[in-house]
Amino acid sequence: EVQLVESGGGLIQPGGSLRLSCAASGFTVSNNHMNWVRQAPGKGLEWVSVIYSGGNTYYADSVKGRFTISRDNSKNTLSVQMNSLRAEDTAVYYCAREVVDVMTVDWYFDLWGRGTLVTVSS
Amino acid sequence: EIVMTQSPATLSVSPGERATVSCRASQSISSNLAWYQQKPGQAPRLLIYGASTRATGIPARFSGSGSGTEFTLTISSLQSEDFAVYYCQQYNNWLRTFGQGTKVEIK
Repeated sequence: EVQLVESGGGLIQPGGSLRLSCAASGFTVSNNHMNWVRQAPGKGLEWVSVIYSGGNTYYADSVKGRFTISRDNSKNTLSVQMNSLRAEDTAVYYCAREVVDVMTVDWYFDLWGRGTLVTVSS
Repeated sequence: EIVMTQSPATLSVSPGERATVSCRASQSISSNLAWYQQKPGQAPRLLIYGASTRATGIPARFSGSGSGTEFTLTISSLQSEDFAVYYCQQYNNWLRTFGQGTKVEIK
């Protein structure tokens, strides 16, 4: 079955660090464009970061310099290292696969995990 | 950053009626727009990409239109399972951005 399963969320104090993981099954992470998208409680979706199949990485301004996206090819997992956490980082974090329609060059998130909740609070 | 603005924030519709959600981009994004549906406690689900192409398995009552800066998602005859929050999302550049969401609720 093709799926994504996030883990690693929890309660963390402001200024702390946390590492989230996303285990993929049914496809190869390194051959795909993988993203983190978050959703604060009761709020909308916010794109966080992407690692393209070629290895390039990009970040939202809100997390740049604090978050680092990576992948482990041997474990077929996606990760994000989150440092200097702030209250405003509190959210459900989703990993999502982004694919490209080769005919139309349209991009879209076709596969999402169920998310893992990160709560930053003292 | 391209800002995506949806309207209305909440739409109250009776089952069987039509629902129309609007999405405006702060600059032209051609047809580089997707729509997602999200139900409580669930991950988003892709509905439309390329502004008007339905994703696999999406019923024909869902349709998308528009290009440039103005886009519309239409649900022709609302079913009970369609009451949810809908998000537009642009992919005109690597910095993906979402609209703030439109909640479609039962009238």
